[in-house]
Amino acid sequence: QVQLVQSGAEVKKPGASVKVSCKASRYTFTGYYMHWVRQAPGQGLEWMGWINPNSGGTNYAQKFQGRVTMTRDTSISTAYMELSRLRSDDTSIYYCGASVVGDFHFDYWGQGTLVTVSS
Amino acid sequence: QSALTQPPSASGSPGQSVTISCTGTSSDVGGYNYVSWYQQHPGKAPKLMIYDVSKRPSGVPDRFSGSKSGNTASLTVSGLQAEDEADYYCNSYAGNNNWVFGGGTRLTVL
Repeated sequence: QVQLVQSGAEVKKPGASVKVSCKASRYTFTGYYMHWVRQAPGQGLEWMGWINPNSGGTNYAQKFQGRVTMTRDTSISTAYMELSRLRSDDTSIYYCGASVVGDFHFDYWGQGTLVTVSS
Repeated sequence: QSALTQPPSASGSPGQSVTISCTGTSSDVGGYNYVSWYQQHPGKAPKLMIYDVSKRPSGVPDRFSGSKSGNTASLTVSGLQAEDEADYYCNSYAGNNNWVFGGGTRLTVL
């Protein structure tokens, strides 16, 4: 069974950056796109963007362009999401979600990483 | 890209059926047959329940079904069970390698 394991919770100050990792196992890493989705406390899901682990190509939701960077290290089957210039309203659970290349839905999800932005 | 519109809440008694709607535009829901639905229990990660409008992943009960008409997609849960109580989110491909979620619907089993 595909497994996505994310890094632990983070506490950051406004203006700082955070980098969340998502380690994949039990499948061919380059065979799945990796999406990032966030959920503010008590709120809904918000799609942030995705990365093609094979090519490194990315696409970000317009809201996050200029502040988010998604990368990957195929040697260790890990995807990363870095969000900069953090604000208090970036406090959320950040999820990675994998979709088979060519598909348009998210088959597998990480457990989520809570990022708290507070002074 | 605006969020898809879902009712904030829905409810039904055990054994009954309930349908949750998801309204978008011709640029997302209406333009592609790539609507998916996710179930999320409190404190848990989302789980894929329906993809490509009406397909069910292996392991998802056939009580869950999906459909689409124009710019509105729907998720129907038949034979409601207590464990179906959760938040449900629709998602649609929106073109140009973009995706968009709905605001979510809290399903209560009375």
